[in-house]
Amino acid sequence: DTGVSQNPRHKITKRGQNVTFRCDPISEHNRLYWYRQTLGQGPEFLTYFQNEAQLEKSRLLSDRFSAERPKGSFSTLEIQRTEQGDSAMYLCASSPIPFGWEGGPDGYTFGSGTRLTVV
Amino acid sequence: AQTVTQSQPEMSVQEAETVTLSCTYDTSESDYYLFWYKQPPSRQMILVIRQEAYKQQNATENRFSVNFQKAAKSFSLKISDSQLGDAAMYFCAYRDGNKLVFGAGTILRVKS
Repeated sequence: DTGVSQNPRHKITKRGQNVTFRCDPISEHNRLYWYRQTLGQGPEFLTYFQNEAQLEKSRLLSDRFSAERPKGSFSTLEIQRTEQGDSAMYLCASSPIPFGWEGGPDGYTFGSGTRLTVV
Repeated sequence: AQTVTQSQPEMSVQEAETVTLSCTYDTSESDYYLFWYKQPPSRQMILVIRQEAYKQQNATENRFSVNFQKAAKSFSLKISDSQLGDAAMYFCAYRDGNKLVFGAGTILRVKS
């Protein structure tokens, strides 16, 4: 297992186009998270899945954003009708259930991210 | 809502010396987890150290240690014997339920 894999690494798209990113988590991790990181800022939570169920969504996740994890393995994040403000690094992370508890794992494993540029 | 503040946008340290990165946070919880993450340029974010609020003892991982002041809601990271490979963006994070709340980050530059 090579960790959390994200594809593509970079995406340049024209405003108004749709884009889709993929995340492959560590295989034994039940939880998968999406974050957005704009330049010079820390990551901001977008949504997370436990297996195939999407359990929490941030208010940042507008109607143009949709995330899926159909079989509880890989996940996709789609942005419809992209806007210049969507330009950011989109990070995926995975963790076992639960992270941070006594005796549990040390938290998330992050992917390298997908950098989106909307022109 | 929980917030995390890193007041130092950028810090520099000479190789082999010690540097401290600051972080404050706001929460009404009594039990929680705090983390420091390192993000090298164009590389993935990795966990440096974590602290559980109910533990009095400050966490230590090799050259990295924290100064956790619960009453002051302060969580600073000390890097001893700084190395060139420590150069990166460092994020302080608070665990809020099932997600992490990050600060804006501190860029650490290491001078040889």
